[in-house]
Amino acid sequence: AQSVTQLDSQVPVFEEAPVELRCNYSSSVSVYLFWYVQYPNQGLQLLLKYLSGSTLVKGINGFEAEFNKSQTSFHLRKPSVHISDTAEYFCAVRNTNDYKLSFGAGTTVTVRA
Amino acid sequence: DGGITQSPKYLFRKEGQNVTLSCEQNLNHDAMYWYRQDPGQGLRLIYYSQIVNDFQKGDIAEGYSVSREKKESFPLTVTSAQKNPTAFYLCASSYRDYNQPQHFGDGTRLSIL
Repeated sequence: AQSVTQLDSQVPVFEEAPVELRCNYSSSVSVYLFWYVQYPNQGLQLLLKYLSGSTLVKGINGFEAEFNKSQTSFHLRKPSVHISDTAEYFCAVRNTNDYKLSFGAGTTVTVRA
Repeated sequence: DGGITQSPKYLFRKEGQNVTLSCEQNLNHDAMYWYRQDPGQGLRLIYYSQIVNDFQKGDIAEGYSVSREKKESFPLTVTSAQKNPTAFYLCASSYRDYNQPQHFGDGTRLSIL
């Protein structure tokens, strides 16, 4: 079974500054990787996904993530954040031969002016 | 617009009472899922269904039950056997291919009176 670790539970950041959210996973087989965002009292919205191919993946709202197989990481980045990026972010991993999606504990990003 | 509808948004349960959370999707997805979200713990899988009239237990199925009589619907019953039901419940759906992302509803918040 796979596990997912989000290394930071809370990340405060100033508006227009860059942000990086770290995600590491463990799995004995190949995986698919996802980042989701959750705004207060709402469901999860898909930001981006890595299935295969280029290790740099671009998503919605200016986010991107890089898959590093040797370090089993899938870190999320945005070069310049907005107040509206304040939300909780979840990294999720699925083995390529399984329906089960495993989630990290989440990282709360708070953007301040 | 296609999407996933969860109802009600807020639900209160008395001790010893069963309650049912509704989840309906019009995305033509075959697979549907129920997750429980608690602060700081990410999402944990309760039940999932890959096809009508079939479902499997997830990681925390005790005290919950489901049915899948129609492709569009996957209701979750929280029984009186679930001793700590206060949580945010999220329903998701996806196509059956392993590389397909899950799409989420806006959740139901269940509280004990």
